[in-house]
Amino acid sequence: QKEVEQDPGPLSVPEGAIVSLNCTYSNSAFQYFMWYRQYSRKGPELLMYTYSSGNKEDGRFTAQVDKSSKYISLFIRDSQPSDSATYLCAMTPDRGSTLGRLYFGRGTQLTVWP
Amino acid sequence: ETGVTQTPRHLVMGMTNKKSLKCEQHLGHNAMYWYKQSAKKPLELMFVYNFKEQTENNSVPSRFSPECPNSSHLFLHLHTLQPEDSALYLCASSQAARHNTGELFFGEGSRLTVL
Repeated sequence: QKEVEQDPGPLSVPEGAIVSLNCTYSNSAFQYFMWYRQYSRKGPELLMYTYSSGNKEDGRFTAQVDKSSKYISLFIRDSQPSDSATYLCAMTPDRGSTLGRLYFGRGTQLTVWP
Repeated sequence: ETGVTQTPRHLVMGMTNKKSLKCEQHLGHNAMYWYKQSAKKPLELMFVYNFKEQTENNSVPSRFSPECPNSSHLFLHLHTLQPEDSALYLCASSQAARHNTGELFFGEGSRLTVL
């Protein structure tokens, strides 16, 4: 079983749609959860970061963590063509993790068409 | 220059060639990393340097040889690679004290093709 599962898509939605991106994981020690966005021919950039369970909102983006279900989500409201990118979930345990050892999902490719 | 800069952006090499990838960060960070990104696979951590000292070698074959002369520069020396080593190689940096928050800053990557 992979540490982090993420549907690679592709996902294609019209402009203005609400997008839901998800990851599941198997390691209950994960405490820090991140979403990275990667545009074509670019490196990933940190989009959202959440510690433990709960919701975090930043503009049109909302990150949710449900540790009881080992499930995290990223919601994008009023999606724009500029949101077209690959979204990578990543997570790491609280203690004892190797520096830089993030457990990544495969990434979901999202296209928002006008 | 700002952020994390990687050169070259694209590299094509034969299996007997020797080449190097270069990474430079202008963020004042003290930890640097090499990641491998292959199609349909999660990012794979290869090497970690913390204050110029290698702290992690994630079972990477010896045909990949990292070098970190200072906290701002990181190299990946390549020799006798295999076609399956073709991938996007990403350099990243962070403040070592914030490693658990996952705040990595990535370069744009070096796209490597091995013929």
